[in-house]
Amino acid sequence: DAGVIQSPRHEVTEMGQEVTLRCKPISGHDYLFWYRQTMMRGLELLIYFNNNVPIDDSGMPEDRFSAKMPNASFSTLKIQPSEPRDSAVYFCASSLGGTATYEQYFGPGTRLTVT
Amino acid sequence: GEDVEQSLFLSVREGDSSVINCTYTDSSSTYLYWYKQEPGAGLQLLTYIFSNMDMKQDQRLTVLLNKKDKHLSLRIADTQTGDSAIYFCAEGYSGNTPLVFGKGTRLSVIA
Repeated sequence: DAGVIQSPRHEVTEMGQEVTLRCKPISGHDYLFWYRQTMMRGLELLIYFNNNVPIDDSGMPEDRFSAKMPNASFSTLKIQPSEPRDSAVYFCASSLGGTATYEQYFGPGTRLTVT
Repeated sequence: GEDVEQSLFLSVREGDSSVINCTYTDSSSTYLYWYKQEPGAGLQLLTYIFSNMDMKQDQRLTVLLNKKDKHLSLRIADTQTGDSAIYFCAEGYSGNTPLVFGKGTRLSVIA
């Protein structure tokens, strides 16, 4: 398997623009997580899905952020409008599901810079 | 709330042992993890320990868990330059629930 795939790997945009980050989880995985990594706050959960349904979005900073999972193989994280404080590395992770699952598999991340 | 603390930097000489420490707050966590992040890459699971264990050894890696003090450590024996990376401590109930991460310890290995 190719692992978790994220695109783009780098995104530079101007304040006020819409940004869309994409994630393809590992095939067969039932859970998908979006985390954000900043120097100040470290890695924080934004939202996670089970079988394409959002389970917990309490980490989404504000209404400017939205996430969707239209099918089992694709998820998007959208920021509209973007602000400089959104600059961070955004990671997508997936896991298999089932009671014995212990590991989350991370994608390479998208480094977002908002100027 | 949940919190995971770890020191930010560690520097060791090649061939020495490295010990990275972590404290956590959620005593009901089922798993404690060590993830490794190399420059420009995502996080890769290095090792994990189930909460009812005290120790786990995997080749050069030794994980010690003190549940009473909520303290987790990772020992890397015979540290190599390829071990230079950021190491994240994390806690969670399973791989299917959100993990809570520390801010990461940057390990620098000096040749």
